[in-house]
Amino acid sequence: AQSVSQHNHHVILSEAASLELGCNYSYGGTVNLFWYVQYPGQHLQLLLKYFSGDPLVKGIKGFEAEFIKSKFSFNLRKPSVQWSDTAEYFCAVTPTGGFKTIFGAGTRLFVKA
Amino acid sequence: SQTIHQWPATLVQPVGSPLSLECTVEGTSNPNLYWYRQAAGRGLQLLFYSVGIGQISSEVPQNLSASRPQDRQFILSSKKLLLSDSGFYLCAWRGRGMNTEAFFGQGTRLTVV
Repeated sequence: AQSVSQHNHHVILSEAASLELGCNYSYGGTVNLFWYVQYPGQHLQLLLKYFSGDPLVKGIKGFEAEFIKSKFSFNLRKPSVQWSDTAEYFCAVTPTGGFKTIFGAGTRLFVKA
Repeated sequence: SQTIHQWPATLVQPVGSPLSLECTVEGTSNPNLYWYRQAAGRGLQLLFYSVGIGQISSEVPQNLSASRPQDRQFILSSKKLLLSDSGFYLCAWRGRGMNTEAFFGQGTRLTVV
């Protein structure tokens, strides 16, 4: 069965620091990969997605993620975080053509102003 | 554009009472529909998914059930709530096709007392 592992449950950064959140998945076939974000008091929304092609994908608000197939990883990055990036971030995977989207446990990011 | 409605936003129910949470999708047809439960530090747990009217797949054995009486309506139910059913429940939909992402409702905070 597929699974998603996020390495950090809580991250605290100062504004302007760089961010990298780790995500690894286990599944033998091709996958679609996602990062979702949940700002305080808001619903889950899509940050970025990878279906195929260029393994470096760019999302909203300056976020990007790199798919490394050999490492089964899809890490999220941002060169300079802002206080408004305080949120919970979820990595998710769907087998290509499959029905189920499986989520990681989430990473709570707190950015100090 | 597509929208997803989930209600109620919050609910407090006594142990042993029934439950009915409703989710409807507008602006699309024949979506895949999902119920997730979000618990702190555990991410989103997939509870049920449906690929069509009357077709329900259960991911975890539990005290809950789901139904899809209409194409764009997905209902989460219980005959008798347990304390352990407390949590944050999210409805989501995905379009058909190989490369699609999930869109989430606002969620329902259920407290069983």
